Parts: sequence; C-alpha cells; structure tokens
Amino acid sequence: QVQLQESGPGLVKPSETLSLTCPVSGGSITDFYWSWIRQPPGKGLQWIGYIYYGGSTNYNPSLKSRITMSLDMSKNQVSLNLTSVIAADTAIYFCARLDMATNAFDIWGQGTMVTVSS
Amino acid sequence: SYVLTQPPSVSVAPEKTAKITCGGDRIGMHIVHWYQQKPGQAPVLVVYDNSDRPSGIPERFSASNSRDTATLTIRRVEAGDEADYYCQIWDGSSDQGLFGGGTKLTVL
Repeated sequence: QVQLQESGPGLVKPSETLSLTCPVSGGSITDFYWSWIRQPPGKGLQWIGYIYYGGSTNYNPSLKSRITMSLDMSKNQVSLNLTSVIAADTAIYFCARLDMATNAFDIWGQGTMVTVSS
Repeated sequence: SYVLTQPPSVSVAPEKTAKITCGGDRIGMHIVHWYQQKPGQAPVLVVYDNSDRPSGIPERFSASNSRDTATLTIRRVEAGDEADYYCQIWDGSSDQGLFGGGTKLTVL
C-alpha cells in the first residue's frame, strides 16, 4: 500500500523559499505521476502542479514562475520548492498520487501546514 | 479559464438523500472525480471517472455527469458523512487539475 508523508519547516519568512518533501513508501516514485495540492486555512483545494519520472512537469500558471518540483530517486521522494513566499502562500500542503489512467488523485498524504510570517 | 461551481453548503437529515452539484460549461464532456474531506484530514477519493467507486467506498455514494452539471448523491446519509466535498476535473487543454470550491455537507 503506497503511503505519503509530507514534511516541511512549518514557518517560513516572507520572501524566502519554502521547501517541502514527500517520501513515498510502498511503491516506487518512478511508476507514477505526483502532484502537490494546497489548501489555505478555511478555503478550498488548489492544484499546484505535477511531476513524472520521465521529466514531465506542469505547474499552475498562477504559481509557475515560483515553483519547482523534483524527484529524488535515492530517497524515493517528491519535493516542492516555492520561492519568494508571501502571506497568501500560507496553507496546508498535500502531496498526492495522480493516477494518469483516470486523472484522479487517488492517494494523499496527511498534509503539512506552512505559515508565512515574519 | 474553466470554472467549477459548487454550492457552499448542503444540509440533509439522517437517512435522507443528499445531492451535491458541480456546475461547469459542458462539464458532461469532462471526466469528474469527487473527494470527501473531514475536518483535519486529507481528502479521500470517493468517486472517480464520473461514477465509479474506489474499493472501500460504500454503495451509498454514487454520481452522475451530464451536460452542465455533475452530481454526487449520498443515500441514507449518516452523521459520519458530514464533511466537505470537492469535485475535480483534469483540464486537458491546459493539462492541469482543477477543483470546485467545495460544498460543506451538514447532517441535521
């Protein structure tokens, strides 16, 4: 059974870079597409982007200039970097497996809360 | 850009049927998925490909998709169904995921 577990700093200062990781257990990251999705407090879900082992990525246009996703095969984990953060980036960040046969997010991590504040 | 519209809230009495809608221009031409999110938890996929249920999801959960509205139907609603529900599509033209704004289901 594939399991995901996001981890991150919890608190990031404005203008700095947010870095999150999502180790994957129970399966290889090379076999699937992976997405990041975020949820500001009390609000809905926002898709951030996806990455695939073959090098394929695509990002939400509203975040594209600040986002980088990567895969670490040695650690079997997915990573997200978001630069120049602002208060509006405060959210719970989820990593999720994207089933490309259905384009549904079929497995989710528990999420990690990130607050942008000085 | 494409927009998915959900009612902010739906209320239903126990044992009754809840219907949660997801509107979009010709959404019937898209494949719709539905997620349940309970407070403090990650979303869970409850319906994929318009009307299929992942293993472990009760048959009480069903869905349909036609023309401009997709609908999630929950029969014989239980207190444990109280949650936020989100619809989602994959916008093939932009190769992006897209969520509706979410609907809070309250069990009276």
